Amino acid sequence: AQTVTQSQPEMSVQEAETVTLSCTYDTSESNYYLFWYKQPPSRQMILVIRQEAYKQQNATENRFSVNFQKAAKSFSLKISDSQLGDTAMYFCAFTLSLGGTSYGKLTFGQGTILTVHP
Amino acid sequence: DTAVSQTPKYLVTQMGNDKSIKCEQNLGHDTMYWYKQDSKKFLKIMFSYNNKELIINETVPNRFSPKSPDKAHLNLHINSLELGDSAVYFCASSGQHANTGELFFGEGSRLTVL
Repeated sequence: AQTVTQSQPEMSVQEAETVTLSCTYDTSESNYYLFWYKQPPSRQMILVIRQEAYKQQNATENRFSVNFQKAAKSFSLKISDSQLGDTAMYFCAFTLSLGGTSYGKLTFGQGTILTVHP
Repeated sequence: DTAVSQTPKYLVTQMGNDKSIKCEQNLGHDTMYWYKQDSKKFLKIMFSYNNKELIINETVPNRFSPKSPDKAHLNLHINSLELGDSAVYFCASSGQHANTGELFFGEGSRLTVL
């Protein structure tokens, strides 16, 4: 079974600064996808960024980037130039890229509450 | 236009009652899901349907029964509600390439059992 661990229950950062959220995972599979989802106080789950395990290049989406270390099974999220609107709970998630019973099943970490201060 | 919509968004009910949550997606996706987020914010999959066929059924009590009348709808019926059923229930959908993992979530339905 796959597991995802986020060891930082809460983080805070000043506006315009950079913050990194940590995530580790455990799997014996080699083909999978990793994600960061954001859940603001509105409760809506929003995809922030996605990484395919077979790609060595780290994914980036504007101010969001990841540091994917496959051997270490580590997948951290870096938020640059933090904005007040980034305040939310952030979830790391994993899914196998195989079909069958793994089809679309996301395994989530415990979440990290990020607060951006003005 | 809401892509994945759930109703109701809030539900307060007594123990022992039966309740339903409805979900509809207008994205043309083939696969729909129910996830449960507990009081500690932990998210876990409950069910997944692909083209109206049940493909994932996690260890969920029999009191929970999903129904998919067509691929755009996935409803969740809960019988004999218990205190521990209090949670936020999220519906989600994904397209043909579901294993890319991009799920589109509804806004969640907060169920409170008294």
